Amino acid sequence: GAVVSQHPSWVICKSGTSVKIECRSLDFQATTMFWYRQFPKQSLMLMATSNEGSKATYEQGVEKDKFLINHASLTLSTLTVTSAHPEDSSFYICSAKTGNTGELFFGEGSRLTVL
Amino acid sequence: TQLLEQSPQFLSIQEGENLTVYCNSSSVFSSLQWYRQEPGEGPVLLVTVVTGGEVKKLKRLTFQFGDARKDSSLHITAAQPGDTGLYLCAGGEGGSEKLVFGKGTKLTVNP
Repeated sequence: GAVVSQHPSWVICKSGTSVKIECRSLDFQATTMFWYRQFPKQSLMLMATSNEGSKATYEQGVEKDKFLINHASLTLSTLTVTSAHPEDSSFYICSAKTGNTGELFFGEGSRLTVL
Repeated sequence: TQLLEQSPQFLSIQEGENLTVYCNSSSVFSSLQWYRQEPGEGPVLLVTVVTGGEVKKLKRLTFQFGDARKDSSLHITAAQPGDTGLYLCAGGEGGSEKLVFGKGTKLTVNP
C-alpha cells in the first residue's frame, strides 16, 4: 500500500508555544489530505480537509486560527497548533488520498503533549 | 451527519475462538472501509467494500457489506494474539471525500 509518514512521532511542548506537524506522502502525490484528532480510547475525529494549493476546509467546531494547515505541495501538508494549551494534547493523525483508487492511507500519528 | 455504530465496543477472547464485529448505520454509504489500529500508531487499511452484499476475504478475516449499504460486519476465524487491536469502520459519503468513523471495537486475543 501507499506510504504516508508523519513527523514528529511525538512532541512535548510548553503551554503557549506553537508546534508544527508534517504529513508526507512518500510514494504518491496527494491533492487531498485529511487531519484527524484522536483522544484516548476514542475514535478519529476529522478536523480539516487539506487541499493542495488552496485553503483548508475545517469541520464545525475546529478553530482555523488555532490549527493552521498548509498544503504547499502534492506530497506535504503541515498542521501547526498555535499557542498550544494542555487541552490540545492529543494524537494527531493525517491521511492522504491516492489518485488511483481513492483509498485513504494514514500516517503513523503524532502524539502531542502540552505541559 | 451520518453516524456509524460499532459493536461490541470491547471484546476479549481466547486464541482460536471466532468473533464477529458489527458496524451499523441508518444512512447509506457509497463505500465502507475497515481499519485496524494499534496503540500509538495510525490506522491501517484492511479492506474497502463498495457493492451491496459484497463479501471479501483476507486470510482469516471475512468482511461483508450489507445489501442496503448501511451496515457491515467483520468476522475473524481462529483469532490469534496478533489480531489484537482497535478495529475501526469508516463510511464514505457519496460525493464527498470525507470518511465517517465509528468509535471502534477494541479486540484483545489472549494466548
